[in-house]
Amino acid sequence: DTAVSQTPKYLVTQMGNDKSIKCEQNLGHDTMYWYKQDSKKFLKIMFSYNNKELIINETVPNRFSPKSPDKAHLNLHINSLELGDSAVYFCASSLSWLAGSGSSTDTQYFGPGTRLTVL
Amino acid sequence: DAKTTQPPSMDCAEGRAANLPCNHSTISGNEYVYWYRQIHSQGPQYIIHGLKNNETNEMASLIITEDRKSSTLILPHATLRDTAVYYCIVRPVNRDDKIIFGKGTRLHILP
Repeated sequence: DTAVSQTPKYLVTQMGNDKSIKCEQNLGHDTMYWYKQDSKKFLKIMFSYNNKELIINETVPNRFSPKSPDKAHLNLHINSLELGDSAVYFCASSLSWLAGSGSSTDTQYFGPGTRLTVL
Repeated sequence: DAKTTQPPSMDCAEGRAANLPCNHSTISGNEYVYWYRQIHSQGPQYIIHGLKNNETNEMASLIITEDRKSSTLILPHATLRDTAVYYCIVRPVNRDDKIIFGKGTRLHILP
């Protein structure tokens, strides 16, 4: 059984389009994340939700909007796609966010990634 | 900026122990060190974490220096499947502090 799944795996689209990437976790976790990995392989956090509450909202363009309909899902909607949005997007989840606890509840489980190509 | 520094790449012979160093000289007293790895084209995978004591699990061992300014991840018997980028991360204390993945170490296991 897949713990953290993302759809689609590949997404090729034209500039200016609007697209969504879906993420689902079946681990019963409270916290979910979106990361972006660019062509230089830097992995940067974009958003984090805990129990459907937005915790981290990094400096990303407001064309990116996360949506968490329930704590098992965190979708990423991107408006007016630009060439620079091409990257691999990873979803992740952790049991909960306990600040400084260092417990296994903070361990993040990543999805397989969605490779977005904007033409 | 990442709070950790790692060598960009390392080689290790198959079957030998792979020792991956990480410097985190600005770590604070209650920040944990986590290690993840990313095998080509896959999502990062958790390996191990620790605070001050050495830790061991089925994947690896983590040795943290007494002053906590550096740590070493040890893969005791490296296999070709351990070829990956290994990330050492300092886990922030505040929940709205972002987790920063640095550039990591690209580990090549040589047959």
